[in-house]
Formats: sequence, structure tokens, C-alpha cells
Amino acid sequence: QQQVRQSPQSLTVWEGETAILNCSYEDSTFDYFPWYHQFPGESPALLIAIRPVSNKKEDGRFTIFFNKREKKFSLHIADSQPGDSATYFCAARAGQGTGSKLSFGKGAKLTVSP
Amino acid sequence: GPKVLQIPSHQIIDMGQMVTLNCDPVSNHLYFYWYKQILGQQMEFLVNFYNGKVMEKSKLFKDQFSVERPDGSYFTLKIQPTALEDSAVYFCASSLTGNTGQLYFGEGSKLTVL
Repeated sequence: QQQVRQSPQSLTVWEGETAILNCSYEDSTFDYFPWYHQFPGESPALLIAIRPVSNKKEDGRFTIFFNKREKKFSLHIADSQPGDSATYFCAARAGQGTGSKLSFGKGAKLTVSP
Repeated sequence: GPKVLQIPSHQIIDMGQMVTLNCDPVSNHLYFYWYKQILGQQMEFLVNFYNGKVMEKSKLFKDQFSVERPDGSYFTLKIQPTALEDSAVYFCASSLTGNTGQLYFGEGSKLTVL
């Protein structure tokens, strides 16, 4: 059973538009929700993350919106740039103390066209 | 930023052989992880490791899998014997603490079992 669902699988936007990537989860004990991005040939890297005490987290052009009641969270990339083209993974963390075990979504390939 | 190095980047072996994947985690990190990603699928948690011990493992971490980090050297994932379904990209990750959620990933080791 997939614990974190991600949509769409791929998205193309024009430069300057806002890209929106969505995720949902099942386990209400998840307590930390990061987004990673991965450029071709590189390792996944943490982009931004949120904890359920907040419903919004901003970092520059990147914003996470979090809806605890509906168990959904989304990543908004404002003023998208061609350099944002990458695969984006949402994730959710279970467990504390024993290590940060993350459940990942399948990823979304974002293409920003100039 | 901090780097996690993985060796080899790609290995091709025959089914039934043994393989060892090596990971050089971020130098001051204490928690280590392996994730498995089959082409087109999400990364899936295999195991986490702290203070010389496996803390948690998933059902994907079969009996043929083992991990160790002898004397602060490489953190290794050994598969013996390998099976066709072990073909995947294996990502190593490390984190400083167990509850920050910020994992630093390597670039992955692509394993092809023939």
C-alpha cells in the first residue's frame, strides 16, 4: 500500500507561471513533510519542509500548503524558471529517535519551458 | 553542501553473486539509511542504522541483505545472493540526528542483476 500519493506524474509550465505539485497521505502519525528535488544525474536534495503545526511554509519562490484535515499538502513554485526543471518528490516521515524513515511519493517531473 | 558519496555508481552482476554497495556518509552524521528505487517508482525505505546497529528495516530488506559500518569506514549494503528483482538504484543517505528529517542523499548505485 502506497503511503504517500503524488500527482501529477509530470507537469509542463511556461516560464513565469506557478507550478503546483500535489501529495496526499494516509498515516495520521506522519509528523514531517519534506519536498526533495532531483536533477538528472544528481542526488535528491531537500528543497523545503513543513511540520503539521503549520499550514503554510514559504522559502523564496517555494511554498508548501498543508491541510491536516484532508491529509494533503502541495508545493507551489512561483515564477517558475527553466532551471526549476527537475523531478520533485514529496515525502512524509514516520518515527522519531530511531532515525528519519521517509515514505516517498513516486515523483513528478516538472518541465519549465522558456 | 554536505556530500554523500556512493561507490560504485553502476554495477552489473550475474544472479546469485554477491554485491557490496559502499557509502561514504557526511562526516559528522550519525544515522545512515538505504533506499531502493526501481525505475519509474518511488524511493522505498530499506533500513536505517545507528550506533552500529540496525534500528529499523522494511519488508524489502530481505534476509539476503545486510548492512554494516566497520570502524567508521564505509557504510555498506551487501546482498548475498542477488536475485533478478534486486535490480534497482540504491540510494544511501545520512542525517545528523534521528528526528530532523533532513536526509542527505548520495547519487545512487545502479545495480543490474542478469
